[in-house]
Amino acid sequence: KNQVEQSPQSLIILEGKNCTLQCNYTVSPFSNLRWYKQDTGRGPVSLTIMTFSENTKSNGRYTATLDADTKQSSLHITASQLSDSASYICVVSDRGSTLGRLYFGRGTQLTVWP
Amino acid sequence: EADIYQTPRYLVIGTGKKITLECSQTMGHDKMYWYQQDPGMELHLIHYSYGVNSTEKGDLSSESTVSRIRTEHFPLTLESARPSHTSQYLCASIEQGGEQYFGPGTRLTVT
Repeated sequence: KNQVEQSPQSLIILEGKNCTLQCNYTVSPFSNLRWYKQDTGRGPVSLTIMTFSENTKSNGRYTATLDADTKQSSLHITASQLSDSASYICVVSDRGSTLGRLYFGRGTQLTVWP
Repeated sequence: EADIYQTPRYLVIGTGKKITLECSQTMGHDKMYWYQQDPGMELHLIHYSYGVNSTEKGDLSSESTVSRIRTEHFPLTLESARPSHTSQYLCASIEQGGEQYFGPGTRLTVT
């Protein structure tokens, strides 16, 4: 069964600290992996998208890594800010259909305290 | 900045009412999607469209219906709202390169 599991479910850190969010998936065949940031009550906004051949991609203070062999990805946030408080969602796409089926994780709820 | 819009942003409505959630995008994307998301839970695909006059049901069974008469417009309709329909509804579209853009969502409460 194709699944995307994220950990931790929730995380609280102090402003200025770094943190790493994890994503494990069993989706096959794999097409790409995306990380989204979703503020409360808003739609998700894309942070990074990585294909099979990419093992790291950065977007400002956000750095995503991908290990396609172990089917794991991480999102590292550097020097956190209060505005980083949000849910971070890992989404994996398969190559099994023209739709490019998307499998969503439940997200990690990050809270940054001053 | 994605040009995908949803209205209304918030809606509180009584049981049995018919409602239509609007979604429009100005990017010319052929593929559009409707997702349902309960608080703290993952997004579930309820409808998708490959283009004009093409609509399909998604993974999560839904009593809603959709239409795609124009490329830019993908409305979702509930003929008779029930409390179990209370949720957040997110519309999205995908560009040729695979990047998916989401609208701001409609938070629906059925009393």
